[in-house]
Amino acid sequence: QTVVTQEPSFSVSPGGTVTLTCGLSSGSVSTNYYPGWYQQTPGQAPRTLIYNTNTRSSGVPDRFSGSILGNKAALTITGAQADDESDYYCALYMGSGSWVFGGGTKVTVL
Amino acid sequence: QLQLQESGPGLVKPSEALSLTCSVSGASISSGSYYWVWIRQPPGKGLEWIGSIFYSGSTYYNPSLKSRVTISIDTSKNHFSLKLSSVTAADTAVYYCARLTYAVAKRWFDPWGQGTLVTVSS
Repeated sequence: QTVVTQEPSFSVSPGGTVTLTCGLSSGSVSTNYYPGWYQQTPGQAPRTLIYNTNTRSSGVPDRFSGSILGNKAALTITGAQADDESDYYCALYMGSGSWVFGGGTKVTVL
Repeated sequence: QLQLQESGPGLVKPSEALSLTCSVSGASISSGSYYWVWIRQPPGKGLEWIGSIFYSGSTYYNPSLKSRVTISIDTSKNHFSLKLSSVTAADTAVYYCARLTYAVAKRWFDPWGQGTLVTVSS
């Protein structure tokens, strides 16, 4: 079974920029995988940030942006703020109705 | 405003079946272009898609769980349900329900329910 890969953790300074990636154990991520990004703080349900590669969900600040970088989907946080400290999960559509989530990236802002 | 709410037992014995319901309010579960999904998260771990169902009853399941999972839908009650059989401690998780938008060139999970913790223990 294909594995969706994410960096386990990232640290970013307040006001800084960080790019998280979402790849495949075999092959390249494209828009056909409908990459989505979900933010989760401890004890809370995930919140939709980005879908269809680069569309921000309603109410999501424009410091969050999605793209395809090389062979991976990417989430960039520009001007990181303290409340961006969360776990971030990507999800990819694998076809035939099937979805796979990445293992998540823990972002620390300090 | 569309809202989803999970409900069901918080404790299930090993080898028994786990049953949860997701009640949908603010919109009809029979609306086209949407699937209704279950996703789970073991304590301290990542998210896992369990399966999806359309209002017609058409389903897709995670291959790793397919032999034990049944997702059903009741349009008259505006809710959908999850049944996971022969549970073990590895099935202990927070279970989320969510709506999956499934349109031309558009697919994403939103909104999500608040989640419900199910513990498998004797």
